[in-house]
Amino acid sequence: SQQGEEDPQALSIQEGENATMNCSYKTSINNLQWYRQNSGRGLVHLILIRSNEREKHSGRLRVTLDTSKKSSSLLITASRAADTASYFCATDAGDTGRRALTFGSGTRLQVQP
Amino acid sequence: EPEVTQTPSHQVTQMGQEVILRCVPISNHLYFYWYRQILGQKVEFLVSFYNNEISEKSEIFDDQFSVERPDGSNFTLKIRSTKLEDSAMYFCASRDRAQPQHFGDGTRLSIL
Repeated sequence: SQQGEEDPQALSIQEGENATMNCSYKTSINNLQWYRQNSGRGLVHLILIRSNEREKHSGRLRVTLDTSKKSSSLLITASRAADTASYFCATDAGDTGRRALTFGSGTRLQVQP
Repeated sequence: EPEVTQTPSHQVTQMGQEVILRCVPISNHLYFYWYRQILGQKVEFLVSFYNNEISEKSEIFDDQFSVERPDGSNFTLKIRSTKLEDSAMYFCASRDRAQPQHFGDGTRLSIL
């Protein structure tokens, strides 16, 4: 798979349920980030996890990182209709001076009220 | 909360024309980026800019493209001799010394 591939591509759940999205990548990384994109809008940063971290929480978000498997997951608990958006993982490969992000193809989350 | 602003929100241009996409990064940020997202595809890195020069560019960023920071607040992307395949959302991003990058809402570029 390409750097930063998410699965599933699309996810539809009921309000109140949890949503889990996964991301796999190929190269070694400095950190991995998750962004949300509402339709027609820009990317909103959600959470960053460094390569030496295994889990991170922010409100209803929980991110895990397994560098041995080159994978990450984003869990949104107690989902709301307002969580409906596309979610992207993005890797920072950490090359000196680079810091450009490599994005995955995203997961489209639909939360039904 | 400070934000990255991009203008225009939508630009329609005839093929072969030049376009300039404008961005105002967050004021104390030092690193600037352009990305693009072709409809239905991934967000792709174009170029990064630091200390008044390009620090990294992708294969997409060929001689057709240029960036400039003409003053202390604006950061522009110029596309010369536009092609149909340049149609995309173009996102500007900025950050300070630490991550994360903060993105603008993008400019939708439509080439006719």
